[in-house]
Formats: sequence, structure tokens, C-alpha cells
Amino acid sequence: GENVEQHPSTLSVQEGDSAVIKCTYSDSASNYFPWYKQELGKRPQLIIDIRSNVGEKKDQRIAVTLNKTAKHFSLHITETQPEDSAVYFCAEKIAGGTSYGKLTFGQGTILTVHP
Amino acid sequence: NAGVTQTPKFQVLKTGQSMTLQCAQDMNHEYMSWYRQDPGMGLRLIHYSVGAGITDQGEVPNGYNVSRSTTEDFPLRLLSAAPSQTSVYFCASRQFGTGDWGTEAFFGQGTRLTVV
Repeated sequence: GENVEQHPSTLSVQEGDSAVIKCTYSDSASNYFPWYKQELGKRPQLIIDIRSNVGEKKDQRIAVTLNKTAKHFSLHITETQPEDSAVYFCAEKIAGGTSYGKLTFGQGTILTVHP
Repeated sequence: NAGVTQTPKFQVLKTGQSMTLQCAQDMNHEYMSWYRQDPGMGLRLIHYSVGAGITDQGEVPNGYNVSRSTTEDFPLRLLSAAPSQTSVYFCASRQFGTGDWGTEAFFGQGTRLTVV
């Protein structure tokens, strides 16, 4: 079944440092892994995603890596800025079957970037 | 395009009352879903729909009903509100990707519900 574990639950870094958030999943049929950012009082918004046929994807200061063998994927934010402070959610989608289309989310990571 | 619109933004209910949270999208997305967000629990799927006339249960469906009579609308009904349903509710929609790949989910602005 679908299950996504996200760690850490809170992360505090200094401005300019890197931040890494990791998620593990259980179903080898998972084929899509997005990351969402939710600022305080706002809706979640997609920041980056990766398909299962790709090992890494970058977009400026953010990157996502996928290790299908170990069933985990990670969000990397470099040169963090105070505006990166938010809650970050990972998610997975399983290909086909009875779970067709469903996104299962991790528990969230509260990232705080100190100036 | 307005995207995904949820109403109301805030609601206070008394235990036992019923109400409907509205969700509408103007992007012609096939897939719509409802999540609840509680501290430390992430976003948990309540119900989802893969098209008009088709709905299915998610992870936490008890106490909630949905229907999908049109592509645009996906209302969530609370049958008899309980304090445990105090939460922030998000509606989301997305297109189906080609080859069963995932696509971006667009969220509504959320409804903060308090049951007293």
C-alpha cells in the first residue's frame, strides 16, 4: 500500500547553508515524486517533481534525487534564504492499479532559515 | 483562469451539524481530491474522483461524503460534524498525465473548519 515517511519533521539552518529533506516509500510501483512548498497560511504549491525514469532533476537552487533501489528520494536546497522558510511536503503516485491517480503525502518538514 | 476555488475560507460548526465545503476548478481537470491537514500528519486523502460520476475513498473517508456530477465541481459533505473533524481542508485538481505519469496538483486556498 501507499506509505511515505518524511524526515526530519523540523529543520533549522543558517542563511546560505544547504538543507536536505528525505522521504522513503514502500511501493516499487511508485512512478512520480513531487515536492510541495506551503508558506504559512497559504496553499501547497509544486516546486519540483521527478519521474521514476530519472535519477536527478535540478531547478536553480533546488534539486531532487531518486534512489529506486533504496526507495527514497530527497529534496536539496542550496544557498538557503529566509524566504525558503516554509513547510515542505513530499508525495508519491503509484502507477496504475487500484491506486490510480492518488497522491500520497509525507508528514511534512518545517524548514526555518535564520538570517 | 481562477484555478481551484474553495468556499468558505473559515467555518465554525456545532457538533452534529452538517455542511458542505464547495470546490470548483476551471482547468477541465479530470482528477479532483479532498485532503485534510492536521499538525504533524501531513495531507491525508479523504475522497477523490477520476471523472464525473466516479468517486472513491481515500485514507480517512469516515464522516464525509462526496459526489461529482460535473467535471468542474467536487463538494465535500460533512454528515454530522464532530470535534475530530476540526482541521484545514484542501481541495486539489490535476490532469491525468500521458503514460500514467503524474502531473502537478493545484490546490484551493483551504477551508479552516472548527467543530465545537
